[in-house]
Amino acid sequence: EPEVTQTPSHQVTQMGQEVILRCVPISNHLYFYWYRQILGQKVEFLVSFYNNEISEKSEIFDDQFSVERPDGSNFTLKIRSTKLEDSAMYFCASSDSGGTELTEAFFGQGTRLTVV
Amino acid sequence: RKEVEQDPGPFNVPEGATVAFNCTYSNSASQSFFWYRQDCRKEPKLLMSVYSSGNEDGRFTAQLNRASQYISLLIRDSKLSDSATYLCVVNDPFSGGYNKLIFGAGTRLAVHP
Repeated sequence: EPEVTQTPSHQVTQMGQEVILRCVPISNHLYFYWYRQILGQKVEFLVSFYNNEISEKSEIFDDQFSVERPDGSNFTLKIRSTKLEDSAMYFCASSDSGGTELTEAFFGQGTRLTVV
Repeated sequence: RKEVEQDPGPFNVPEGATVAFNCTYSNSASQSFFWYRQDCRKEPKLLMSVYSSGNEDGRFTAQLNRASQYISLLIRDSKLSDSATYLCVVNDPFSGGYNKLIFGAGTRLAVHP
C-alpha cells in the first residue's frame, strides 16, 4: 500500500539552529500539507502546497517557516532559528484531490522535533 | 467557540461494550467530515468518512446532523485494539478547495478486559 514517508523520525536540535524535515508524498498525489501537533494538543494545520506553490498557510506559518518541493518526489519543511516552542510532532500529508469532495489525506508517521 | 469540539474523555469501557462519541463543528459551510484514529505518538489514520445519510463500516457507525452541526461515532462490541484517541475532523470551507483539515482535540477511549 502506498504511504507517505518522513525522515528523520526524531530530530533534536539546539535553539536557534535550522532544521529541515523531509517528506516523500504518495507518488500520484498533487496536494501536500504540513501539520504539527504539540504534545498533548490537537493537530494543527501549517501549510498546503499545490502546483509548486503555497496555496494556504496558517498564522503559525510565519517567516520562520518555508516549504519546498526540490524535485519530483520530496517535500520539505524548513524551520529557521528554531525556538523551544517549535518542539512538536510534524506530520506531512498528501491527497490526490482537493475541493469539497470527501478525499482522504494520508499522513506520514511524523517527525518528532525536540528543540533544546 | 472552538471550530471542532469533542469531549476529551477518557471513556473507560469493558470489552464488548458499545460506546458513542460526539463532536460539534462551528462552520455550517463545512462539507467534508471524517473520523480519524490516533494511537499514542503516532500519525492520525482515517477511520471513516462521514456521509450525509450516515454510514457504517463493520462495528463503526458514523452519523451527521447538518442542522445541529453535530457528528457522532458509534463503536459496537469494543475490542482492546480500539483503545486510541478518536479525532473528529472537518474541512475548512474557506480554504479555497485545498482540503485544509480542522481537527478536534480528540476523545480518548480505553477498552479494558
